[in-house]
Amino acid sequence: GAVVSQHPSWVICKSGTSVKIECRSLDFQATTMFWYRQFPKQSLMLMATSNEGSKATYEQGVEKDKFLINHASLTLSTLTVTSAHPEDSSFYICSAHGTSGGLGTDTQYFGPGTRLTVL
Amino acid sequence: GQQLNQSPQSMFIQEGEDVSMNCTSSSIFNTWLWYKQDPGEGPVLLIALYKAGELTSNGRLTAQFGITRKDSFLNISASIPSDVGIYFCAGQSAAGNKLTFGGGTRVLVKP
Repeated sequence: GAVVSQHPSWVICKSGTSVKIECRSLDFQATTMFWYRQFPKQSLMLMATSNEGSKATYEQGVEKDKFLINHASLTLSTLTVTSAHPEDSSFYICSAHGTSGGLGTDTQYFGPGTRLTVL
Repeated sequence: GQQLNQSPQSMFIQEGEDVSMNCTSSSIFNTWLWYKQDPGEGPVLLIALYKAGELTSNGRLTAQFGITRKDSFLNISASIPSDVGIYFCAGQSAAGNKLTFGGGTRVLVKP
């Protein structure tokens, strides 16, 4: 239970293009999803909180016009990196807040991550 | 953003050894969580703690929620090679369910 998928698992794009990353909760409904980025050998840093049907809440220092988040349903949130540049290269991880019957735990479950490389 | 103080940053293990790591915070959390992350993958939840003083086990893993609600530890008993990876603590506040992560403990195998 509590499976979260991300697509694509990796992507390479040219500087200036936009990239969309999907996050899906496969076996539960998630009213809240979170987007993180992780640089090599560092911890996860929260970028934004995505609530179904409403605007995302961005953490300080994260540009909302550059990282567009859409949470259209209880099982899908998307992150679009617009006009990507090499410094946007990172590991992007989503999580979905829900309850897993298996662990009986009401908390965040993470996707497998998407590695973005901008050339 | 705020991070929890997690230590040690890295450690070498030999098969069969016990492993300990801990996290401290200047803030109180309502929930403490421990995750393991393998290279190129997302974190996987190991243990969740909801009450101050709570001691919870999951197989060879044991974690405790500190009485002050500002700290937690994770023990791994009789380590095996697949225990290698990065372990993260995370504190969850009641408001908004946001997580604050520790810096991670990288567990490596002794050569």
